[in-house]
Amino acid sequence: DAGVTQSPTHLIKTRGQHVTLRCSPISGHKSVSWYQQVLGQGPQFIFQYYEKEERGRGNFPDRFSARQFPNYSSELNVNALLLGDSALYLCASSTLQGKPYEQYFGPGTRLTVT
Amino acid sequence: QQQVKQSPQSLIVQKGGISIINCAYENTAFDYFPWYQQFPGKGPALLIAIRPDVSEKKEGRFTISFNKSAKQFSLHIMDSQPGDSATYFCAASMGFGNEKLTFGTGTRLTIIP
Repeated sequence: DAGVTQSPTHLIKTRGQHVTLRCSPISGHKSVSWYQQVLGQGPQFIFQYYEKEERGRGNFPDRFSARQFPNYSSELNVNALLLGDSALYLCASSTLQGKPYEQYFGPGTRLTVT
Repeated sequence: QQQVKQSPQSLIVQKGGISIINCAYENTAFDYFPWYQQFPGKGPALLIAIRPDVSEKKEGRFTISFNKSAKQFSLHIMDSQPGDSATYFCAASMGFGNEKLTFGTGTRLTIIP
């Protein structure tokens, strides 16, 4: 079975631009979470979506937004990019059924803001 | 406020030895404690996880020890191999209804021949 997939793999943007990152969860998983991982640190929680509803939001500015589609894939949008937004953006999916706690991560999107 | 503290920051172990990584948490509402392994350029991979109703869980060479009263948990890697060289993260979440993972700062493990 395919794992969590993310696109694009790498992205270079300029300050002030907007970016959209995409995630497809493991088949059968209805929950998607987004995390930001700055180099040398642990991932920081940004959003969780379940059945297209926002289930949790981390301590990130309103420039960050996300949504989940009927097929459970998800997009993370970041507006007015800052240099500090440069990071690895990770998507994780889980079932929230049976073993609701296990979250499986994708390979991430490496965003560089110049 | 960092809610999960991880140590050491880096660790060098000889092949065949035991690698031990420690984590401490503050929030007693945490109900689920996973460990993730991350290789450079890859996403974190779920290694092993524990709930606070047990004190130890073993899967192959990997063991989690959990001390609820001390609010501490640790990962033991037995018979460490060069392929285990990676960054390891402990994490915690409050369980069903709030699956947000709070991560430690990571431990870079290097296994030397």
